[in-house]
Amino acid sequence: EAGVAQSPRYKIIEKRQSVAFWCNPISGHATLYWYQQILGQGPKLLIQFQNNGVVDDSQLPKDRFSAERLKGVDSTLKIQPAKLEDSAVYLCASRPPWRQLTGELFFGEGSRLTVL
Amino acid sequence: AQSVTQLDSHVSVSEGTPVLLRCNYSSSYSPSLFWYVQHPNKGLQLLLKYTSAATLVKGINGFEAEFKKSETSFHLTKPSAHMSDAAEYFCVVNSMDSNYQLIWGAGTKLIIKP
Repeated sequence: EAGVAQSPRYKIIEKRQSVAFWCNPISGHATLYWYQQILGQGPKLLIQFQNNGVVDDSQLPKDRFSAERLKGVDSTLKIQPAKLEDSAVYLCASRPPWRQLTGELFFGEGSRLTVL
Repeated sequence: AQSVTQLDSHVSVSEGTPVLLRCNYSSSYSPSLFWYVQHPNKGLQLLLKYTSAATLVKGINGFEAEFKKSETSFHLTKPSAHMSDAAEYFCVVNSMDSNYQLIWGAGTKLIIKP
């Protein structure tokens, strides 16, 4: 079975520029997550989707971050304008309905953002 | 509220010696607990999980963890470390809120000395 796909793997931009990350979850996984992982820290949840609806975006900095999941499959996370503190790895994860209680997530390899 | 604390930010062991990565949790429910592993420049992978069945849980690559309710601990162990075990390990608890959010520890970096 194909895993969670993310692109690009690496991105370097200057502050105040914009960037977009794309995620294709495992087929059939209704729940999709975007996490931010700053070097030396555990992942921090940015947003959770259930199909194409937002379940939790309480930790998403909405003045600069946006995310969408059109048609309940692929998802895009955008940052505009970027700040230095946005340098991190952005992880996409998905979960099938039958794994909801166990909490097991399937992660992509992440998109590493460097803001100069 | 649920929380998880990983007691060591770095652990260094020699190849062939035992590994112990410590994790304590706080939960008002009977928790679901997990260990995830992240190799350099790779995505996170589930190592093992505890979901109220056997208290000793076996995972991939020879790792295991024991759920101890009296000590609120879920330490990760391996009898003999291998160079390929060098990675970051995260202890995670399922919040069991309406969205089943995961609460992550800060991570422990495992260093294997030849």
